[in-house]
Parts: sequence; C-alpha cells; structure tokens
Amino acid sequence: SAVISQKPSRDICQRGTSLTIQCQVDSQVTMMFWYRQQPGQSLTLIATANQGSEATYESGFVIDKFPISRPNLTFSTLTVSNMSPEDSSIYLCSVVEGTGELFFGEGSRLTVL
Amino acid sequence: KQEVTQIPAALSVPEGENLVLNCSFTDSAIYNLQWFRQDPGKGLTSLLLIQSSQREQTSGRLNASLDKSSGRSTLYIAASQPGDSATYLCAVKDTGFQKLVFGTGTRLLVSP
Repeated sequence: SAVISQKPSRDICQRGTSLTIQCQVDSQVTMMFWYRQQPGQSLTLIATANQGSEATYESGFVIDKFPISRPNLTFSTLTVSNMSPEDSSIYLCSVVEGTGELFFGEGSRLTVL
Repeated sequence: KQEVTQIPAALSVPEGENLVLNCSFTDSAIYNLQWFRQDPGKGLTSLLLIQSSQREQTSGRLNASLDKSSGRSTLYIAASQPGDSATYLCAVKDTGFQKLVFGTGTRLLVSP
C-alpha cells in the first residue's frame, strides 16, 4: 500500500493567516483527495487534486479559500487561506490504489486562535 | 443521496469479548465498502475493503460482511484487546459518483 506523508502534523495559527499543508506519496498515483474532519465529526471531501489541471471542489468549498496544487503524481499541497477558528480541523490527504482501496496520511491537525 | 449510518455510536467492552459494529447505507448501488480505524487525532488506517461483488473479507481477527440488498455491513472483531480501542469508520463508494461517503463512526473502548 502507498505510504503517505503529511506536513505539518499539527500547527497553531492566528486568525487571518494562511497555512499550506504538504502531502507526499511514495509512488505515483492518479487520484489524490483532500478531506476535512471537524472536531467530533466524520470526514468531508474538500476536493480532488488533479495533476496538471485545476482541482475539482465539492459543494461548499471554493478555490479562493482552499487553493490546491498538484505539480506531479506524487505530491500535492492544500492551503487554508484567511483562517478563522471555524477552520480548526484535521486535514487529511488520501490516495486511491488500483483496487479502489483508499489510503490516508496521518493528517494535519490545525488549531486557529 | 447516499447516507451512511453507524450504530452504536459508542461501545465499551471488557477485553476478550467478541463484538459487532454495524454500518447501514441507503443506496444499494455501491462500488465498494471500506472499513477504517482512526486513533485520536490521527489519520485513518484501512482495515478491510469489500468489493460490491463480494460478501465478506477477513484479516486476522477482523471479518467484514456486506449485504447490498439490505444496505448493511458488519465488522466483527474477535477476542477484543485494549489495543483495539479506536473509532471505527465505514465508507461507501457509489457506482455513480465514485466518491466515498463516510459514516459517523463507532467509538470503541476495550478495557483490560
């Protein structure tokens, strides 16, 4: 199975600032996804990171707030812009392997003060 | 719209017990169903993947079953251990949208 590394693992940020989360996979994958897990909640898909083109965002998520880059088949970044306390969540990168099985990184725990 | 429900929301058992976690989904047109484990503040670990054509999958002390017609899956954990304490999530991928819809999870505590 793919090994997925996320940085940072956790951070505490001030309101109004932006944070970029990195996701590195140890093999080339076609599909990469970014999820958000708010405190006490289940996972919500933010967007599908497409290599070489703009990300595909889910309803309720917009590029200005969550810009995503996918420069190659092993790396992606998610930026959380102009943060507010409501953005405090765990952000998770995931990939799909050929069997259809989904694998996740360890997550990036963000606290906004 | 697919909805996934997990019952119970929380479960506390003594070590050594066999237990069953339940997952139900509203639309039976699924591509696959996956069970995950999540430790507090961490990412998700894939436990078992069941394709729509399969009825069950086994890994060690874990067995997951799938009944598409009734919209149900169960995760059976044999001889539970304190290290099994975690939140267990099921997720369903629809055939149409190919996106995973997650349940709200069952928080399991196994006491020594």
